Amino acid sequence: EPEVTQTPSHQVTQMGQEVILRCVPISNHLYFYWYRQILGQKVEFLVSFYNNEISEKSEIFDDQFSVERPDGSNFTLKIRSTKLEDSAMYFCATRLAIGELFFGEGSRLTVL
Amino acid sequence: SQQGEEDPQALSIQEGENATMNCSYKTSINNLQWYRQNSGRGLVHLILIRSNEREKHSGRLRVTLDTSKKSSSLLITASRAADTASYFCATDPTGANSKLTFGKGITLSVRP
Repeated sequence: EPEVTQTPSHQVTQMGQEVILRCVPISNHLYFYWYRQILGQKVEFLVSFYNNEISEKSEIFDDQFSVERPDGSNFTLKIRSTKLEDSAMYFCATRLAIGELFFGEGSRLTVL
Repeated sequence: SQQGEEDPQALSIQEGENATMNCSYKTSINNLQWYRQNSGRGLVHLILIRSNEREKHSGRLRVTLDTSKKSSSLLITASRAADTASYFCATDPTGANSKLTFGKGITLSVRP
């Protein structure tokens, strides 16, 4: 069964460092999303991406965040200068069209 | 802002009992979806109900939607210990490129 793959599964970084989280979407999917979940809390929308551009972004997705799909396969989330409050589980999700989202297993980011 | 809000926040039942979880939202939707999340894992889609549907079944799952009350319920019949997880409702305002907005989730514990 096709799946969304995320790397790394866990990353520990120092405050102020740059982090890149990677996602390999399901091959024929067209819509890509990043969500995050702070431990035990709600799943928060960060950004949606379609046709090689951002469709929508939340207030959380400030200038420190960026997304790109550089090689037509990987979909990356970059945090330029991490803060303590960026510590969370980051989920990539993709879908073909209207309907269900397929989620990866997540990348746990710990900022020290 | 549009938001799915589930209740109760936590539910503990005995194996074999039915579990009912509720979700309320604020604005119009194209569809509403329920997801399951095992601890530390990604979200897995369970069922989708469109705004013109009132009830839908999938195996031991039954979902209802009342658009006049802006609410949905998820019923899991004959629960099993393996159903222990967090359950989230997510609202999709227009379908396709729109973001899904998730609620805070319900933690279901099924005692063997």
